[in-house]
Amino acid sequence: QQQVKQSPQSLIVQKGGISIINCAYENTAFDYFPWYQQFPGKGPALLIAIRPDVSEKKEGRFTISFNKSAKQFSLHIMDSQPGDSATYFCAASRSTDKLIFGTGTRLQVFP
Amino acid sequence: AAGVIQSPRHLIKEKRETATLKCYPIPRHDTVYWYQQGPGQDPQFLISFYEKMQSDKGSIPDRFSAQQFSDYHSELNMSSLELGDSALYFCASSTLSINYGYTFGSGTRLTVV
Repeated sequence: QQQVKQSPQSLIVQKGGISIINCAYENTAFDYFPWYQQFPGKGPALLIAIRPDVSEKKEGRFTISFNKSAKQFSLHIMDSQPGDSATYFCAASRSTDKLIFGTGTRLQVFP
Repeated sequence: AAGVIQSPRHLIKEKRETATLKCYPIPRHDTVYWYQQGPGQDPQFLISFYEKMQSDKGSIPDRFSAQQFSDYHSELNMSSLELGDSALYFCASSTLSINYGYTFGSGTRLTVV
């Protein structure tokens, strides 16, 4: 049973476009929602994270939108670049419990 | 800034052999997590330690064991290796005092032949 559901599985975006990845969770006790970027053969790298007391957080070209009532959160990558091509994982956890990952989205940004 | 250090980066073992993976967390991080990531899969939680005590256990086979030492480094011991154990193994560390930030190491790629 996947506690954190992520979509789409893959995404192709043209350079300069907006990439949008969505996640939904079940456990209302989760209080930490990070997004990780992973390149092949590398460890997941934290991109941006949000707590449920805010509805949006922006860092550079990356924005998390959080909808507590719908139990959904999404990552928006503005002005997508070829260097953004990677696999993106959403995750959730309660306090410093283990992270539960989504199934990942493979993003390809074409010039 | 210091990161999570994992060793070795790559490891090739034969079936039924034993492997030991090491993880050195960020200084002053008190919690260590181990994850297994198969090809094209999301990371799956194996086990975690807080202040040298096991704090949570996930889908870790009985053939695997782990511990955290007094200097906070952790080791994942894998015995009777099977072909299906071939994966990337990541360690992450965190501490409550820095707003729940988890930092992952670069991983160990284990190949069982």
